[in-house]
Amino acid sequence: DAGVTQSPTHLIKTRGQQVTLRCSPKSGHDTVSWYQQALGQGPQFIFQYYEEEERQRGNFPDRFSGHQFPNYSSELNVNALLLGDSALYLCASSLRDSGQPQHFGDGTRLSIL
Amino acid sequence: GENVEQHPSTLSVQEGDSAVIKCTYSDSASNYFPWYKQELGKRPQLIIDIRSNVGEKKDQRIAVTLNKTAKHFSLHITETQPEDSAVYFCAASIQDTGFQKLVFGTGTRLLVSP
Repeated sequence: DAGVTQSPTHLIKTRGQQVTLRCSPKSGHDTVSWYQQALGQGPQFIFQYYEEEERQRGNFPDRFSGHQFPNYSSELNVNALLLGDSALYLCASSLRDSGQPQHFGDGTRLSIL
Repeated sequence: GENVEQHPSTLSVQEGDSAVIKCTYSDSASNYFPWYKQELGKRPQLIIDIRSNVGEKKDQRIAVTLNKTAKHFSLHITETQPEDSAVYFCAASIQDTGFQKLVFGTGTRLLVSP
């Protein structure tokens, strides 16, 4: 049973560029959440997708956008990258209304030069 | 919005000792409190969770207690082992629409010395 998978593992970009990160949820899960984890900090909630719609959003600017596909996989897009966007981006999946906890992927390490 | 504070930021213990990590939350509507363990370069892994209708939960050497009145919850690890060394995060969430939005604490780096 495959868990949450994310790609790529590592990514290096320069300021002003755009990036797309990908996530495949655990089998049977229908909800995908994205978190940003800066070095030495706890993960911060970016947004959450269910039925291809953004359901909840954290305190992140519009440069951060996402998408969910019919197969429940999801993308996180970040435009006009800033040095402060350097972080580990974690995807977590869950099944709505199950009361079960979120399962995290290994994350994508994004470095902005 | 919800805010979660976590203490201490670092904790060093000897193998076999107990370790306690404490968290406080601000939103009284929060009703789900998971704890995650994150080893260097790896994903956060759920180690135990508790819901607001329960005051204590135990799983072998790990236990979590919740005080809703004071809005704080704690992780207790007994008989610590070197493999318990990692960063531990508490989190709080409101589950009212079937969705979880986890608000994390800043983490506690636990070091267990042999």
